[in-house]
Amino acid sequence: DSGVTQTPKHLITATGQRVTLRCSPRSGDLSVYWYQQSLDQGLQFLIHYYNGEERAKGNILERFSAQQFPDLHSELNLSSLELGDSALYFCASTGPVANYGYTFGSGTRLTVV
Amino acid sequence: QQQVKQSPQSLIVQKGGISIINCAYENTAFDYFPWYQQFPGKGPALLIAIRPDVSEKKEGRFTISFNKSAKQFSLHIMDSQPGDSATYFCAASKIQGAQKLVFGQGTRLTINP
Repeated sequence: DSGVTQTPKHLITATGQRVTLRCSPRSGDLSVYWYQQSLDQGLQFLIHYYNGEERAKGNILERFSAQQFPDLHSELNLSSLELGDSALYFCASTGPVANYGYTFGSGTRLTVV
Repeated sequence: QQQVKQSPQSLIVQKGGISIINCAYENTAFDYFPWYQQFPGKGPALLIAIRPDVSEKKEGRFTISFNKSAKQFSLHIMDSQPGDSATYFCAASKIQGAQKLVFGQGTRLTINP
């Protein structure tokens, strides 16, 4: 157990639907990052939150949004889902300085049918 | 300037051999270079990391070699074992401010018994 908890582990949904992925960071970590990993693709950065505030955005689609709550857990909302959104979605957390590494959760596997 | 290029995409090594994976980066502001190991169905896990003030870092059978002038770094796995079969990602970021990790495309390593 890495200390970063992601739910659900698997999600199957139809095109056009909306889903919410949840991430609880490691205790004491203030930063949460969301990454998308498609088949045969690397890890693509989506968005970074630090202590409730958005810090950076990557190639995140307008149909996707995220937030970090006062208890530091984060949710990634994916709407108007398309087949191409099928992927593994990971969150990672770290403290103010990253030299002890980012800790990743086990991911949510999203399948859009 | 944000890219990290990783090679090879896949690598097959005999048990007991040396596995070598290479990465190159463009952004000279990067000052933190971790390697992650990912097994199927799991999130990436930090393997070893290096800062640019040293040219080499060794942890057990894993060594990072860093060439600042060439903007390249590599992972060497000595005495490779079947349990090392996984996908390896290099990454880079700026430590201060917990900046996002920029990942290479990954190398699928297979160690034949």
